[in-house]
Amino acid sequence: DGGITQSPKYLFRKEGQNVTLSCEQNLNHDAMYWYRQDPGQGLRLIYYSQIVNDFQKGDIAEGYSVSREKKESFPLTVTSAQKNPTAFYLCASSVRDRVTEAFFGQGTRLTVV
Amino acid sequence: GENVEQHPSTLSVQEGDSAVIKCTYSDSASNYFPWYKQELGKRPQLIIDIRSNVGEKKDQRIAVTLNKTAKHFSLHITETQPEDSAVYFCAARAGAGGTSYGKLTFGQGTILTVHP
Repeated sequence: DGGITQSPKYLFRKEGQNVTLSCEQNLNHDAMYWYRQDPGQGLRLIYYSQIVNDFQKGDIAEGYSVSREKKESFPLTVTSAQKNPTAFYLCASSVRDRVTEAFFGQGTRLTVV
Repeated sequence: GENVEQHPSTLSVQEGDSAVIKCTYSDSASNYFPWYKQELGKRPQLIIDIRSNVGEKKDQRIAVTLNKTAKHFSLHITETQPEDSAVYFCAARAGAGGTSYGKLTFGQGTILTVHP
């Protein structure tokens, strides 16, 4: 069953702790993206990667880090430096060189207490 | 970098009426403009898209128009139904030739409510 999977669906962490969100895809897509969704603010781009071992900052990268060691995986770490980490996080993937749609994972809702 | 502005933020229509959502973008290197629908608690899903070499595309009750010169594109939904109620997002993807190749930037979203 092909698709893009985020885990876990719900995540709770204490303030000051780093937390890593998982994103895995078996669609053979080169490009992967991380977005943060807050009410009334749409989807804001955190990081994106067009190819393995390469990634670029999006519009709100501060307090986040990523890695792209494998084509299938693009984990996002929310560090303690992120001042307001509670949000809904969405991962997406797409074909790189063809102009075509991006597919989204089901999202992870992170709550920091 | 790319900036995508979407309006209106909320839209309320009666069943059977048409709905129009508009977006503007800033990066002339953008060459792909998808529209996503997100129902409550679910992931965004593509409903229609348009590439920069096309001015209009239609799929049943949904159509998208693109004006490259003015850098704006619009979503048109005709004969709206209650199940069309959702949040709609426009997006723009940067093509080759710029420093943001592949970057996919979304608008702020429009909450569409269709009243029976």
